[in-house]
Amino acid sequence: SQELEQSPQSLIVQEGKNLTINCTSSKTLYGLYWYKQKYGEGLIFLMMLQKGGEEKSHEKITAKLDEKKQQSSLHITASQPSHAGIYLCGAFNDYKLSFGAGTTVTVRA
Amino acid sequence: DADVTQTPRNRITKTGKRIMLECSQTKGHDRMYWYRQDPGLGLRLIYYSFDVKDINKGEISDGYSVSRQAQAKFSLSLESAIPNQTALYFCATAGGFDWEFTSGGPVSTDTQYFGPGTRLTVL
Repeated sequence: SQELEQSPQSLIVQEGKNLTINCTSSKTLYGLYWYKQKYGEGLIFLMMLQKGGEEKSHEKITAKLDEKKQQSSLHITASQPSHAGIYLCGAFNDYKLSFGAGTTVTVRA
Repeated sequence: DADVTQTPRNRITKTGKRIMLECSQTKGHDRMYWYRQDPGLGLRLIYYSFDVKDINKGEISDGYSVSRQAQAKFSLSLESAIPNQTALYFCATAGGFDWEFTSGGPVSTDTQYFGPGTRLTVL
């Protein structure tokens, strides 16, 4: 089965600073999803990447999928308190979506 | 109205009790999924269904069963709940797949839509 490893497990960032989360797959990614979750709540879809080298941005969040399609990064520019939460990467393999363990982001004022 | 709803939202039960978690969706999607989430382990797939007649086990199906009563409804049952089934449970739906021929693999062109989650505590 596909294994997704996220790093770091958690991070604390000063408001206004940038942060990056990585997601590495043991297999080629045929569709990589990024979700955000507030603790104990549902998942919010952020973006999906499909093609090698693809990059998507939404507001201050940018996600990239490397050319080999085995690694993705999520970058937040000028973090705000609203960016705090758990970020999860997910990928389809054999029609099933599997997830990384998540990265907990804390934004300090 | 929410596209994917789950009931109950919170439940406390005792060891050995039978409990059912329900999921309904208005997306018209064929594919539905049940996940559980534990701290530090991310989301793990319990069962998934591609249509009413197609139900499949996921990574951690032991101790669980499911029923796909209709396209819009997918229920998860714990026949005899145990404390290590205490977790946050999510239902999700997804639409169809398109094939990415250049990469040779399946690429989903539709997003998974998640319900708000059910927090289950087994004492």
